[in-house]
Amino acid sequence: GEDVEQSLFLSVREGDSSVINCTYTDSSSTYLYWYKQEPGAGLQLLTYIFSNMDMKQDQRLTVLLNKKDKHLSLRIADTQTGDSAIYFCAEKVTGRRALTFGSGTRLQVQP
Amino acid sequence: DGGITQSPKYLFRKEGQNVTLSCEQNLNHDAMYWYRQDPGQGLRLIYYSQIVNDFQKGDIAEGYSVSREKKESFPLTVTSAQKNPTAFYLCASSMATGGQPQHFGDGTRLSIL
Repeated sequence: GEDVEQSLFLSVREGDSSVINCTYTDSSSTYLYWYKQEPGAGLQLLTYIFSNMDMKQDQRLTVLLNKKDKHLSLRIADTQTGDSAIYFCAEKVTGRRALTFGSGTRLQVQP
Repeated sequence: DGGITQSPKYLFRKEGQNVTLSCEQNLNHDAMYWYRQDPGQGLRLIYYSQIVNDFQKGDIAEGYSVSREKKESFPLTVTSAQKNPTAFYLCASSMATGGQPQHFGDGTRLSIL
């Protein structure tokens, strides 16, 4: 079946690293995505990873994928107050056109 | 600049009324999607369209209708049959092939008067 789970809330101090975790259940996932949503706005694509990759780095963002455990994480280095938002994990499953989203993790960055 | 435009940003519906949410994209994407977002929840798929004049129901299509007469446009009608329409509605588009990521508009917030 399809299910994507995330913790609801994460609080960090400015300058620290943030790690947002996601687990999924469908082993036929082909791509996994991270989106950012600021209040009252749409979703902004941050990064995505193909399921045969273990890691992807893009400036302050690092995505780690453990396919065996079906675990995905997003690390934000040197977290800034502008990073405060809701972060959604999503998966693309073979044979399904749309994405399956988690419920989102609210990241709060304290100055 | 290429992107997805949703309008209006805020919409109010009276009881028994149908309302239509607009979604236009100039990204030359083949596929378009409508999602519903409720507070504290993820996105749920209402309808999607892979190509002009074709669309498929998503997980929560009841009470909604769509059309895809042009590649650029994918309007969503919230009908009076949708008994709990208050939500944030997001439109997205993507290239049709493979796992190309979906790009989102800024959303329309629908409320009941």
